[in-house]
Amino acid sequence: EVQLVESGGGLVQPGRSLRLSCTASGFTFRDYAMTWVRQAPGKGLEWVGFIRSKTYGGTTEYAASVKGRFTISRDDSKNIAYLQMSSPTSEDTAVYYCTRDAVDPLAYWGQGTLVTVSS
Amino acid sequence: DIVMTQSPDSLAVSLGERATINCKSSQSVFYSSNNKNYFAWYQQKPGQPPKLLISWASTRESGVPDRFSGSGSGTDFTLTISSLQAEDVALYYCQQCYSLPLTFGGGTKVEI
Repeated sequence: EVQLVESGGGLVQPGRSLRLSCTASGFTFRDYAMTWVRQAPGKGLEWVGFIRSKTYGGTTEYAASVKGRFTISRDDSKNIAYLQMSSPTSEDTAVYYCTRDAVDPLAYWGQGTLVTVSS
Repeated sequence: DIVMTQSPDSLAVSLGERATINCKSSQSVFYSSNNKNYFAWYQQKPGQPPKLLISWASTRESGVPDRFSGSGSGTDFTLTISSLQAEDVALYYCQQCYSLPLTFGGGTKVEI
């Protein structure tokens, strides 16, 4: 059974950094791209970005709203995908979901982790 | 960016009646080389992550009741719930995975 578990969310001050983790199980992690999607309170879904598998270069793509501030990485030895959030603002307050795959329909989602950016 | 426009924003349907949600993309999401529409529908209930209902515009995911169906191609898509059940009360989102950035519709709230 595919399982994705996000962690690392919480309260962060504007301008401070935060790293989210997504621990995967139930599939061969290294073979899949991993995507982050967020949802601000009471709002819709917003694609954040993804990281390709090493087979496809392990390269990343980002939404314009986070490009240059957020970094997605992966550790295939630990089956973990990361989302490093730098210089967050209140606009980044959201539940952050990790999902498997990238440019396919997203069939597997974690439960999400809430990030609140506030002083 | 491909803009996904859902309508209506919300709808109230009686139990057992049909619910229809529309989604229009600002450009075609049909990939002719493999004859697929890079389009999906998701259901989200409060406090839960989205759940993939329909992929490739019309392929129902395993375990999804057959009262849910997807149709359309190119730029115009429809999600139909043929006979609304109480457990179908949720938000529904469309999404294109044809080009980056991946984009979602604004959501449609379905109520009884």
